[in-house]
Amino acid sequence: NAGVMQNPRHLVRRRGQEARLRCSPMKGHSHVYWYRQLPEEGLKFMVYLQKENIIDESGMPKERFSAEFPKEGPSILRIQQVVRGDSAAYFCASSPAREETQYFGPGTRLLVL
Amino acid sequence: DQQVKQNSPSLSVQEGRISILNCDYTNSMFDYFLWYKKYPAEGPTFLISISSIKDKNEDGRFTVFLNKSAKHLSLHIVPSQPGDSAVYFCAADPVGGADGLTFGKGTHLIIQP
Repeated sequence: NAGVMQNPRHLVRRRGQEARLRCSPMKGHSHVYWYRQLPEEGLKFMVYLQKENIIDESGMPKERFSAEFPKEGPSILRIQQVVRGDSAAYFCASSPAREETQYFGPGTRLLVL
Repeated sequence: DQQVKQNSPSLSVQEGRISILNCDYTNSMFDYFLWYKKYPAEGPTFLISISSIKDKNEDGRFTVFLNKSAKHLSLHIVPSQPGDSAVYFCAADPVGGADGLTFGKGTHLIIQP
């Protein structure tokens, strides 16, 4: 049973470009969560999605960030007009149901030059 | 405001001895707690969890203790092994609240041979 998949593992962008991060949940999981980890910090919750629905985006910055989890395909975290402060590790987690244990992917390390 | 605190950034323990990692929380709405282990450049791996209706949960070498009145939990690893060297994150989940986990900043456990 494959785990949570994330790609790319590393992403380099220049200021002002767009970053697209992909997450495929574990087989049988329909709940996806995105977290961000800044250096020397813990993971911070950003958004929780089910298929075609955003359930909780209380941790998502109001501007430039968006997330989706379409009926088919992976969940996408999109960051428009990236700035240096967006440089971080972005982790996706999935669970089979709400309030079940979340299992994490390997993360995407975004570097903004 | 740090709702989950891991006050020891690092901990060094001799191989074969007991490792004790501590975590304090401030939000009384947290009712489910998890420990994750993380190696560099990888995603967090779920280790063990505990519900607020229990005060202890054991899984092999790992035991988590919860003291609700003190809002404190700890992870015991015995005996400690070299492969246990990693960063350990404490995470908490509130009942009926946001669906994202709240993480501490982590404790870097180093097992000395």
